Amino acid sequence: GESVGLHLPTLSVQEGDNSIINCAYSNSASDYFIWYKQESGKGPQFIIDIRSNMDKRQGQRVTVLLNKTVKHLSLQIAATQPGDSAVYFCAEMDSSYKLIFGSGTRLLVRP
Amino acid sequence: GAVVSQHPSWVICKSGTSVKIECRSLDFQATTMFWYRQFPKQSLMLMATSNEGSKATYEQGVEKDKFLINHASLTLSTLTVTSAHPEDSSFYICSAGGVGEGTQYFGPGTRLLVL
Repeated sequence: GESVGLHLPTLSVQEGDNSIINCAYSNSASDYFIWYKQESGKGPQFIIDIRSNMDKRQGQRVTVLLNKTVKHLSLQIAATQPGDSAVYFCAEMDSSYKLIFGSGTRLLVRP
Repeated sequence: GAVVSQHPSWVICKSGTSVKIECRSLDFQATTMFWYRQFPKQSLMLMATSNEGSKATYEQGVEKDKFLINHASLTLSTLTVTSAHPEDSSFYICSAGGVGEGTQYFGPGTRLLVL
């Protein structure tokens, strides 16, 4: 079936460094992808999205890259801050507007 | 804008009782809302899609008679966990939007503990 998976369950970075979180998806027909941040005990928070007709999109300190050839998605966070510590999920939206979430990566920022 | 609320934020109940969780879109109308369940250290799993004025669509493996969903208005969907058991203890999250718009806006979640 459809699935979205992540390569790294936990990522530890030094404050100020850049973070890269990766995600693989399996449904080549998916045309919309979103990254969410979830802090402990809270609901997911939208970070950035990208449609399949793009390969890169930038926000404030965040960049999402999409490689449709290998069905890979990544989230780059520049100058990682302690407040960025959370679990990050990628998600793809299927044709019925359902979101399929990846397994999540925990980002730990070392002071 | 695009704020989704849930009530209650946490609930503790005895096994065998029923619990109702509300999901509201505060500043927009949502013809479609989604209910997810998240166990500790796991990802979000879609339980059902709630459509205003019609029956909910449940994902495979989710018991529709146990998880009753009502979407009576464009701003409110409710999830009732009937005859709750300890294995139903989880973090329940709703979202709204997404159809034709892309982004779903998530509520803060409801922590359910069944004793």
